[in-house]
Amino acid sequence: EAGVVQSPRYKIIEKKQPVAFWCNPISGHNTLYWYLQNLGQGPELLIRYENEEAVDDSQLPKDRFSAERLKGVDSTLKIQPAELGDSAVYLCASSVWANVLTFGAGSRLTVL
Amino acid sequence: LAKTTQPISMDSYEGQEVNITCSHNNIATNDYITWYQQFPSQGPRFIIQGYKTKVTNEVASLFIPADRKSSTLSLPRVSLSDTAVYYCLVGPYSGAGSYQLTFGKGTKLSVIP
Repeated sequence: EAGVVQSPRYKIIEKKQPVAFWCNPISGHNTLYWYLQNLGQGPELLIRYENEEAVDDSQLPKDRFSAERLKGVDSTLKIQPAELGDSAVYLCASSVWANVLTFGAGSRLTVL
Repeated sequence: LAKTTQPISMDSYEGQEVNITCSHNNIATNDYITWYQQFPSQGPRFIIQGYKTKVTNEVASLFIPADRKSSTLSLPRVSLSDTAVYYCLVGPYSGAGSYQLTFGKGTKLSVIP
């Protein structure tokens, strides 16, 4: 079974530039999550999808972050414009059972 | 949701058994205890989950006392490849609250040759 696939693995951009991350969850996993992880910290939830519906986006900074999940499968997380403080690892996860998440390897963003 | 407390870091020599304890004094009746493992440059990986007493799988054992106010993740005979951060999470198994699990800073386990 293929795992959660994320791309790109690494991205370096200058501040004020846009950036997008893509996630392909495990087939059959209706729930998809985007997390942000800063160095030395645990992952923090940004947004959760049930199929194509964003059911929890309370922690998503909506002024610059946006996300979509087309047809309830793949998802894209976008930042526009990026700020220095957005440098972090962006993790995508999917699940069938709420407590058992399968994470991707993450996308490491560096904003210069 | 119940707050969890676990040591920031632990060191162990190869071949030893490692026990990581997590405190969750405010655990609710319908809460489960879940542990994740995270290697550098990877996302967290589910390793074990339990409600009470003892759960064992091919990776670890989870011991939960009767009052459920704490739990202990036990890793038998650790090797260098067990060096990782281990997260303890507590929350309901189903319902809206089950999706609000919070990852703390975890316990950074360093295995020494």
